[in-house]
Amino acid sequence: DAKTTQPPSMDCAEGRAANLPCNHSTISGNEYVYWYRQIHSQGPQYIIHGLKNNETNEMASLIITEDRKSSTLILPHATLRDTAVYYCIVRVDFGNEKLTFGTGTRLTIIP
Amino acid sequence: GAGVSQTPSNKVTEKGKYVELRCDPISGHTALYWYRQSLGQGPEFLIYFQGTGAADDSGLPNDRFFAVRPEGSVSTLKIQRTERGDSAVYLCASSLSAAGLREQYFGPGTRLTVT
Repeated sequence: DAKTTQPPSMDCAEGRAANLPCNHSTISGNEYVYWYRQIHSQGPQYIIHGLKNNETNEMASLIITEDRKSSTLILPHATLRDTAVYYCIVRVDFGNEKLTFGTGTRLTIIP
Repeated sequence: GAGVSQTPSNKVTEKGKYVELRCDPISGHTALYWYRQSLGQGPEFLIYFQGTGAADDSGLPNDRFFAVRPEGSVSTLKIQRTERGDSAVYLCASSLSAAGLREQYFGPGTRLTVT
């Protein structure tokens, strides 16, 4: 899997949109962008994934640049419960089932 | 429904002892994964099962680590002759299948401390 680069930490005010960037400049054509998060003392939790189109679900939106070399995870109205470490992962769509985590971004929501 | 469960939640053992960590996946999930997470790091892949067989064990650090899944459901991670460097949180995840883009559901982990 290609490597990703994320800022080590970010703060966001409660109620604001949290925008978490990820660089994946060596991503291949058959690799998807996945986001997981890990709240303290819990296992990672799946958030969203995408290939090249923007995606939205009940948790977040994923914006992928046209060249696919970077993406942004958007939490539209951050709450204190969104404080967690967020991992951006690139993964092929078959034949490589494991997830390769980096060190992620520690997002702190400020009341 | 019930998520992935892991037991024990905490395990303290002495250097050189043998330990077993148990994972109960979500019912019906055929794929099961083990990861290890050291302090301040992201989870690191150890092994994954598709059914009863280990499809990829490339992440096991050495032959002291072994995992089984005899009936295609519960899995046990076994560590022989534990070392202080084995101290970490051991995470288990399961998914509906390994094929395609199936999301992985993680358990809360077992915190192993080797003294």
